[in-house]
Amino acid sequence: DQQVKQNSPSLSVQEGRISILNCDYTNSMFDYFLWYKKYPAEGPTFLISISSIKDKNEDGRFTVFLNKSAKHLSLHIVPSQPGDSAVYFCAATESGGGADGLTFGKGTHLIIQP
Amino acid sequence: DAGITQSPRYKITETGRQVTLMCHQTWSHSYMFWYRQDLGHGLRLIYYSAAADITDKGEVPDGYVVSRSKTENFPLTLESATRSQTSVYFCASRLAGGGGDTQYFGPGTRLTVL
Repeated sequence: DQQVKQNSPSLSVQEGRISILNCDYTNSMFDYFLWYKKYPAEGPTFLISISSIKDKNEDGRFTVFLNKSAKHLSLHIVPSQPGDSAVYFCAATESGGGADGLTFGKGTHLIIQP
Repeated sequence: DAGITQSPRYKITETGRQVTLMCHQTWSHSYMFWYRQDLGHGLRLIYYSAAADITDKGEVPDGYVVSRSKTENFPLTLESATRSQTSVYFCASRLAGGGGDTQYFGPGTRLTVL
């Protein structure tokens, strides 16, 4: 049973517009969420994170929103740029869980069209 | 600053052979992790380590062995490789304590088992 779900395998957005990537989770123990970006033949790169005590975190063009009651988070990229074309993974963890690793979604392939 | 490195980057082996994937980090992070990435599954945790000589199983540990005699190294061994272990393997590390739960990933090793 998947605990972190990214229901859109791919998303196509025009350059300059907003990209919205969605993620749902089922485990109520998760309290720390991260987004990673991955280019082909490279490792995932950390993008932005959010703790469950917040509902929004912003870093430049990237904003993550967390809706705890709906167990839903989203990543907004504004404005979208060609270099944003990549696979985006949503990940979650229990921050007090010691050395436990991250639970990942299957990823969303974002394509920015010129 | 080398960060986190993996070797080899590509490996082809045969069923039944022993294979060791290497991971080295220069940040002195306490925690290290091994994940595998397969189509349709995102990244899944194989093993993790909280410190030298402390390791524990993740979600998919069967067929793998790890060791951690030094903080900076975390090798992953496939004792008798099977075709189902064909995958891309990522090593990651994380600071203890104040670094939160952000994990930093290596570039990956693409393993093919024939």
